[in-house]
Amino acid sequence: AQTVTQSQPEMSVQEAETVTLSCTYDTSESDYYLFWYKQPPSRQMILVIRQEAYKQQNATENRFSVNFQKAAKSFSLKISDSQLGDAAMYFCAYRRVRAGGTSYGKLTFGQGTILTVHP
Amino acid sequence: DTAVSQTPKYLVTQMGNDKSIKCEQNLGHDTMYWYKQDSKKFLKIMFSYNNKELIINETVPNRFSPKSPDKAHLNLHINSLELGDSAVYFCASSQDPRTGILKQFFGPGTRLTVL
Repeated sequence: AQTVTQSQPEMSVQEAETVTLSCTYDTSESDYYLFWYKQPPSRQMILVIRQEAYKQQNATENRFSVNFQKAAKSFSLKISDSQLGDAAMYFCAYRRVRAGGTSYGKLTFGQGTILTVHP
Repeated sequence: DTAVSQTPKYLVTQMGNDKSIKCEQNLGHDTMYWYKQDSKKFLKIMFSYNNKELIINETVPNRFSPKSPDKAHLNLHINSLELGDSAVYFCASSQDPRTGILKQFFGPGTRLTVL
């Protein structure tokens, strides 16, 4: 079974600074997808960024980028130029490529990291 | 326009009652999901439906019964509610996951409190 671990329950950053959130996962699959979701106090789940495991190039979305280390099974999220609106809980998630059987589209989430942004 | 909607957003009820949470998506997606977020914020899948057919049942007690009247709706019915059922329940939808890395769209969540 796949597991996702976020070892930082809480992180904080000063506005305009850079912060990195850690995520590691365990899988025996060679092909899969990884995601970072943001959950602000409104509790809406918002997709921040996604990465296909077969792509060596790290995904980037504006101020958000990932450091994907496949051999180390590590998928960290870097937020540059942090803004107050970035304050939220961040979840790392894993999905198998082969969406058959009991893993059909299933996202497996980490425990989450609460990010606080100080003005 | 709301892509994935859930009703109600808040639900407070007594132990032993039966309640339902409704979910609708207007994205034309084939696949819908229910996730549970517990008091420690841990998110875990409960069910997945594709074209009204149950695909995933993630060892959820049979007091929980999803029902999909059509592919735009996936409702969650819970019988004999227990204190441990208190959580936030999220509905989500996506296109058929066999076709790629498609994004799952989440509803706003339903906070269920069992007293």
